[in-house]
Formats: sequence, C-alpha cells, structure tokens
Amino acid sequence: DAGITQSPRHKVTETGTPVTLRCHQTENHRYMYWYRQDPGHGLRLIHYSYGVKDTDKGEVSDGYSVSRSKTEDFLLTLESATSSQTSVYFCAISSRTSGGTDTQYFGPGTRLTVL
Amino acid sequence: GQQLNQSPQSMFIQEGEDVSMNCTSSSIFNTWLWYKQDPGEGPVLLIALYKAGELTSNGRLTAQFGITRKDSFLNISASIPSDVGIYFCAGGFHSGGSNYKLTFGKGTLLTVNP
Repeated sequence: DAGITQSPRHKVTETGTPVTLRCHQTENHRYMYWYRQDPGHGLRLIHYSYGVKDTDKGEVSDGYSVSRSKTEDFLLTLESATSSQTSVYFCAISSRTSGGTDTQYFGPGTRLTVL
Repeated sequence: GQQLNQSPQSMFIQEGEDVSMNCTSSSIFNTWLWYKQDPGEGPVLLIALYKAGELTSNGRLTAQFGITRKDSFLNISASIPSDVGIYFCAGGFHSGGSNYKLTFGKGTLLTVNP
C-alpha cells in the first residue's frame, strides 16, 4: 500500500467553522491532490500540488484553500464550512514520469459532515 | 471539459461469471487507470495502462487501452464474492509542464451473488 495517511478520518463540524484536513505521505512523491467524492458526481479534483509551496486549483476549488510547506504534508482548509461541503475527502499522491504519465494512489479518506 | 462515460452503472452477477465494464470518451487520453473502492475506503489501483493498444493483466483482471485512446475496458474472470465493490476508470492527459488532468468515470457497482 502507498504510504498515505489522512487525519482526521471522521469529523463533524458546524456551519461557519474553519476545518483543516491533513494528508501525510512517506513516499517522497512530488505530486499531491485533494478530491471530494459525492454520490452522482464521482471523484472531483479540488486542488493539487506539484511541489513545496506550488499549488493549483482543480475543478471545484471554491471555498477551499491548500498549503504545502513540506514534501510530506498537504493541508486542505475550509475557511468557513458550509453544508454543501459535507463529503468524503480523498488525498492522492503520484510520481509523474518524464513522459508525463501519472499514476495516482489514494489515501483512506476523511468523512466530513457539516451541520 | 473532458468527460468519461462508464458503463454499466451497476451489475449483479453470480459467483464464477465473467464481468466486463468499459469507459469511453470523446477526448483522447495518455493514460488509463482502473481502481476498485470498497465501502469506507479509498480507491485502490488495480491496473495502469500507458500505451494505446496495451493489454495488461493482474491476476483475474485484464484491462486494455483502446487503439483510439478514447476508451478502455476491464474484464474480471471467474468472479468471487470479494470482487464486490465499485470500479472506477480514470483517464489521464498531460498537456505539458505541470498541467496534468485525471478524469474519473462515475463508477460501476459490482455485486456478486455467492
């Protein structure tokens, strides 16, 4: 199994509160990703990182920010959580080849409920 | 944007039967990946395909990267109860630099009746 952990694994919070999810890897991979998974939508990319302090937006980035101060950690922050952000969040890592191929490995997920 | 059509959405089969599922797109991809997800867990990579026409096996699983680069299929032979889960395809496209996008299908829910 890829060395990816996510914390917390479950969280219940209230609307308007800030929330930070953590992804930690032991593989020293350059690329890290945050996805959300919702019924009927599948996996959708929120943000990704291609190196320390290098991040970019995905297709559903509104309401989310990320930070990567170390290779091994990628943080996802909901500045002011809303009920629409209730979801399961997955972190993924990859080691991209020089030819551009990219195989992503996923963490166990964080189930977030915003009341 | 790129979209993947994964079919079927769900399958209910008897143990021992073979299974086939596929993904198609109107766009080309450089990479096709197949994942399996069990309830409460993250997707686990089953097979990765990197070249058009490539046929790759992993135990009872076989996947192919379509010649047109717009489709891929996954076959499972002699299904067993632990094959139950959701199977996702993902197509990857690299357009240079750090610009890489992985697009996921919506999944095929497989149920195996013992």
